[in-house]
Amino acid sequence: DQQVKQNSPSLSVQEGRISILNCDYTNSMFDYFLWYKKYPAEGPTFLISISSIKDKNEDGRFTVFLNKSAKHLSLHIVPSQPGDSAVYFCAASDQEGAQKLVFGQGTRLTINP
Amino acid sequence: DSGVTQTPKHLITATGQRVTLRCSPRSGDLSVYWYQQSLDQGLQFLIQYYNGEERAKGNILERFSAQQFPDLHSELNLSSLELGDSALYFCASSVTTGRGYTFGSGTRLTVV
Repeated sequence: DQQVKQNSPSLSVQEGRISILNCDYTNSMFDYFLWYKKYPAEGPTFLISISSIKDKNEDGRFTVFLNKSAKHLSLHIVPSQPGDSAVYFCAASDQEGAQKLVFGQGTRLTINP
Repeated sequence: DSGVTQTPKHLITATGQRVTLRCSPRSGDLSVYWYQQSLDQGLQFLIQYYNGEERAKGNILERFSAQQFPDLHSELNLSSLELGDSALYFCASSVTTGRGYTFGSGTRLTVV
């Protein structure tokens, strides 16, 4: 039972353009969502989060959008840079803070020069 | 360096064996989480400890067990290993900041 799904295993984007990574979830009890970025041979690192009381959160080049009615969130990276090439994981929890997270399978983003 | 230390980084062992993975959380973090990432899969939650006590349990096999010690480091014990247990095992730690966890760099377990 995959409660958090990232349906695109990979995405390739030109440097300077917008990268859009998508994530769907099925559990309506989820109220906090996070994006993690992972480089090879490293653990995932926190990127940005959003609470279900918001529909948008922005941090520099990164913006997360949440559509609760569609149970969908997306991560926008503008402009994309070569250093953004990594695997991105969407995660969700039913309580903000230090509780278990349910992760998607990840999307490998490649930024082409 | 995230501040979460996992050892060893790599481990190769035979089926039927037992191994212990170790995690030292960031200074001040009381919660430790263990996750398993199999090939092309997302991270699967195994278990959480908070200040020495088990707090939450996920899809952890009965052959696996964990504990958190008084100095807050944690160990994940995997026994009667099978080929399918080959995976990356991540430890993470946190305080309740609302910003998610801090992950270690993982232990890659290969069962042959």
